Amino acid sequence: AQKVTQAQTEISVVEKEDVTLDCVYETRDTTYYLFWYKQPPSGELVFLIRRNSFDEQNEISGRYSWNFQKSTSSFNFTITASQVVDSAVYFCALSTNFGNEKLTFGTGTRLTIIP
Amino acid sequence: GAGVSQSPSNKVTEKGKDVELRCDPISGHTALYWYRQSLGQGLEFLIYFQGNSAPDKSGLPSDRFSAERTGGSVSTLTIQRTQQEDSAVYLCASSFGRGRNTEAFFGQGTRLTVV
Repeated sequence: AQKVTQAQTEISVVEKEDVTLDCVYETRDTTYYLFWYKQPPSGELVFLIRRNSFDEQNEISGRYSWNFQKSTSSFNFTITASQVVDSAVYFCALSTNFGNEKLTFGTGTRLTIIP
Repeated sequence: GAGVSQSPSNKVTEKGKDVELRCDPISGHTALYWYRQSLGQGLEFLIYFQGNSAPDKSGLPSDRFSAERTGGSVSTLTIQRTQQEDSAVYLCASSFGRGRNTEAFFGQGTRLTVV
């Protein structure tokens, strides 16, 4: 069975602060894929990143960065210099199939950026 | 269209009635997914269509739920004899599917309320 845990239910930070969203996953498969999605108030899930289990390199995209550590089964997401537009619910997800099939989602972290 | 389109955006129905939810995927996407987002259960996988293959129905919660995908494009999720616990946001997503290294794009969902 697979499981994704996002222990942080809600986080509030003041604009321009850095914030890290935690994600811990469980799977017995050796090949798997990890994802982060953003859900703004409009409701649609917006894809942010996908990582496969063989690629532990950290990734940076603008103000976003991801830290994948297999040793701790974690895939954490950091936003630097946060902005009000970053306010949303963020979901971490896991798939043990190629690509996108049957994503197992965490319960999400509601991030509020205070202006 | 430019994105995944779902209709209706909101549906209120009486307990015991049948409902149909529609999803128009992105043109050219061979894979289509249905997920359910509810307060108590978070985001749950329901069903997955890949091309002409038999769908993966392993996430459907009961035999009251069914889905079809006609012509490899539009999909309809049908819930028969709706119950109050069916109240949720039903999200559809599409992607280029297996063998293609792309992400899934989600629609804005249909909010179903069973009264």
